[in-house]
Amino acid sequence: AQTVTQSQPEMSVQEAETVTLSCTYDTSENNYYLFWYKQPPSRQMILVIRQEAYKQQNATENRFSVNFQKAAKSFSLKISDSQLGDTAMYFCAFMKLENTGGFKTIFGAGTRLFVKA
Amino acid sequence: KAGVTQTPRYLIKTRGQQVTLSCSPISGHRSVSWYQQTPGQGLQFLFEYFSETQRNKGNFPGRFSGRQFSNSRSEMNVSTLELGDSALYLCASSLDGGRYPQHFGDGTRLSIL
Repeated sequence: AQTVTQSQPEMSVQEAETVTLSCTYDTSENNYYLFWYKQPPSRQMILVIRQEAYKQQNATENRFSVNFQKAAKSFSLKISDSQLGDTAMYFCAFMKLENTGGFKTIFGAGTRLFVKA
Repeated sequence: KAGVTQTPRYLIKTRGQQVTLSCSPISGHRSVSWYQQTPGQGLQFLFEYFSETQRNKGNFPGRFSGRQFSNSRSEMNVSTLELGDSALYLCASSLDGGRYPQHFGDGTRLSIL
């Protein structure tokens, strides 16, 4: 069974600085997708960034980038130039296609990030 | 384009009752997934529907069921409610999962007294 581990329950960063959130996962699959989602206090989950396992190039979305190490099964999120609005719970998620044709998403426990002014 | 709409936003029930939650996906999205979020267990996958068929199911008891209608709207039902069912229930829609991102609704906060 797949598992996703986020070892940092809580982190803080000063506004405008850079922070990295860690995520490791366990799977025997070769083809899968990895995601980082953000859940602010308003509680709506928002997709931050997405990585396809067959792509070696690390995904980037503006100030957000990932360091995807497939062999090490590691998928960290780097937030550059942190802003107050980045304060939220961040979830790492693993998705693979099932034999049924559908998919199942496994989430990590989350990392609560505080951006300080 | 309207986002994923979940109703109701809040619900209070007592043990033994049953409840039905609703999710309207983004127009054109055919896949709908349901998740349970609790402080202790985190986010757990409940089930995924596509074109009115359940394609996958998580490890939840049979009290949890769902369905999807021809317009892709989905409902989730929980029977014989237990205190442990208190949670935020999130619905997400996508064109067809996998390579397509999921878009989440605001969730339904269910409290069991």
